[in-house]
Amino acid sequence: EIVLTQSPGTLSLSPGERATLSCRASQSVSSSYLAWYQHKPGQAPRLLIYGASSRATGIPDRFSGSGSGTDFTLTISRLEPEDFAVYYCQQYGSSRYSFGQGTKVEIK
Amino acid sequence: QVQLQESGPGLVKPSETLSLTCTVSGYSISSGYYWGWIRQPPGKGLEWIGSIYHSENTYYNPSLKSRVTISVDTSKNQFSLKVNSVTAADTAVYHCARLPQSGAAAGTLDYWGQGTLVTVSA
Repeated sequence: EIVLTQSPGTLSLSPGERATLSCRASQSVSSSYLAWYQHKPGQAPRLLIYGASSRATGIPDRFSGSGSGTDFTLTISRLEPEDFAVYYCQQYGSSRYSFGQGTKVEIK
Repeated sequence: QVQLQESGPGLVKPSETLSLTCTVSGYSISSGYYWGWIRQPPGKGLEWIGSIYHSENTYYNPSLKSRVTISVDTSKNQFSLKVNSVTAADTAVYHCARLPQSGAAAGTLDYWGQGTLVTVSA
């Protein structure tokens, strides 16, 4: 089983600042099957990035993903008020899915 | 617009069976895609429970496999989750989702329901 570890656990930033979120896998993950989600309380999680670096439909270009192998990054170039949320990375392999434990991006 | 909505009891007694249904609108579940369940215990992260395709192929999280059944009712455009012998550790918000297996977004969960809280308590 591939374990995803996200860091930091919490990121305290101000609107307009840059957010850099990390996701590290316990073994190599196919870039094709690494995704990022945004989750706000009481809402459905929202797919942001698939294939490690492709934005899902309707996702603003301030969100970008990068990485390969065991190290992946989600970057939010300039935080907007609506971006404060919890972010999860997720991998797929052998018909199974696993998630990181999440990074909370909170207002400083 | 694809929409998913979970429904079912919000309170289940220990040792009983948790049963939830996901109703899909805007897309026929018999047309393709895998469909699945994910849960989030209070204060914790997301956990994949299992997935199903056309009632033919099912895949379950090994940690839950012995207690979980996912099924499809294409006539109602719904799929369901049953978890047997529940304990307090099964208390969570349960989400249903669509799981593409092909195309650029393969391996993701591209549409989700907003989730329903199920509490296991006597």
